[in-house]
Amino acid sequence: NAGVTQTPKFQVLKTGQSMTLQCAQDMNHEYMSWYRQDPGMGLRLIHYSVGAGITDQGEVPNGYNVSRSTTEDFPLRLLSAAPSQTSVYFCASSSDTGSTEAFFGQGTRLTVV
Amino acid sequence: AQSVTQLDSQVPVFEEAPVELRCNYSSSVSVYLFWYVQYPNQGLQLLLKYLSGSTLVESINGFEAEFNKSQTSFHLRKPSVHISDTAEYFCAVSTTSGTYKYIFGTGTRLKVLA
Repeated sequence: NAGVTQTPKFQVLKTGQSMTLQCAQDMNHEYMSWYRQDPGMGLRLIHYSVGAGITDQGEVPNGYNVSRSTTEDFPLRLLSAAPSQTSVYFCASSSDTGSTEAFFGQGTRLTVV
Repeated sequence: AQSVTQLDSQVPVFEEAPVELRCNYSSSVSVYLFWYVQYPNQGLQLLLKYLSGSTLVESINGFEAEFNKSQTSFHLRKPSVHISDTAEYFCAVSTTSGTYKYIFGTGTRLKVLA
């Protein structure tokens, strides 16, 4: 049972480049979300999805796009990378409306130069 | 809207000493409460959670947390810490109804000293 898988683990981008962070879960969870983790700021919600075809913005959505075409996958797209997007990104999934455990991926460490 | 406050960014403590990591939350609706732990270079793992019922909840590795509704707190305690408890701890809330969202605190870095 792989749980939540994020790829890549590390990435360096130049300012202005675009890329997609991949997230896949094999637990048939309806709820998936993306967070960024920055020192002293904890985890901040970027976007989330309550099921295939349904997404919504979180606390810090600017500069990021998401889509949810299948239950398993929830990619995060950076349209034009900026140094302010240097962070560690975590994908999480959960099976219920907030009462159950969120399972996290191992994270993607992104550096924008 | 909900918010979570962890006032202590770092807590150093000697091995076998007790520790308390503080968490306060704010919400206009009922919430579920969680503590997650993050070991270096890893994702977050659930430590314990409060959904309803007994206000004292325990984890398998000796941590406990008590839900205090009047003080809107969910402090995490351990009577005797080990070196292996060194990690970052996050308090989180989610709502019991409406749109699903976890809101995390800023984290407390627990450093256990030999």
